[in-house]
Amino acid sequence: GENVEQHPSTLSVQEGDSAVIKCTYSDSASNYFPWYKQELGKRPQLIIDIRSNVGEKKDQRIAVTLNKTAKHFSLHITETQPEDSAVYFCAASPYRGSTLGRLYFGRGTQLTVWP
Amino acid sequence: GAVVSQHPSWVICKSGTSVKIECRSLDFQATTMFWYRQFPKQSLMLMATSNEGSKATYEQGVEKDKFLINHASLTLSTLTVTSAHPEDSSFYICSAGPGTGVLGAQYFGPGTRLTVT
Repeated sequence: GENVEQHPSTLSVQEGDSAVIKCTYSDSASNYFPWYKQELGKRPQLIIDIRSNVGEKKDQRIAVTLNKTAKHFSLHITETQPEDSAVYFCAASPYRGSTLGRLYFGRGTQLTVWP
Repeated sequence: GAVVSQHPSWVICKSGTSVKIECRSLDFQATTMFWYRQFPKQSLMLMATSNEGSKATYEQGVEKDKFLINHASLTLSTLTVTSAHPEDSSFYICSAGPGTGVLGAQYFGPGTRLTVT
């Protein structure tokens, strides 16, 4: 099955700096890549996603890039704010009938933004 | 749109009893829902895929007789933890998506924190 690796496991940045989280995946059939933000004790919230026919997607301070050839995708947060502090999960979803919609998650990155 | 609810948000039960957790899609129909378990400071571990009108698909290592899943309608899936033990204490969370066809975003319920005493 799909295997998603996520790095780093922890990331500390100063407010206003940029943060980058990287993920790799193993299954070339994966073609949907969402990112989730989870605050302590709360549900994971979808913050951005990208499909394999797109190389980059941006939503205000958040952007995701995808390199299908290298099988890696990254989350970029610019002008970080303390409220960006949370655990971020990347995921990959292969298009196969029996696993349609299933997400394979990375281990998560604890992002801390210091004021 | 794309709201998923879960009930209860937390539950405490005694060892040996059963607990039912409900997952509802409030503004869309979901033929498939997913049940996860999450330990503190860890990632989401998929337990099973709930399919409306058919049997759930369980991940390797998950006891299907212990974690009963019923997806009786297009908006409701339930997870019953039978004969609960303290090691079943965890954060259980479901997800569903309004997408049809190929791929769609998955949205999570708020989770249920189960404590077995």
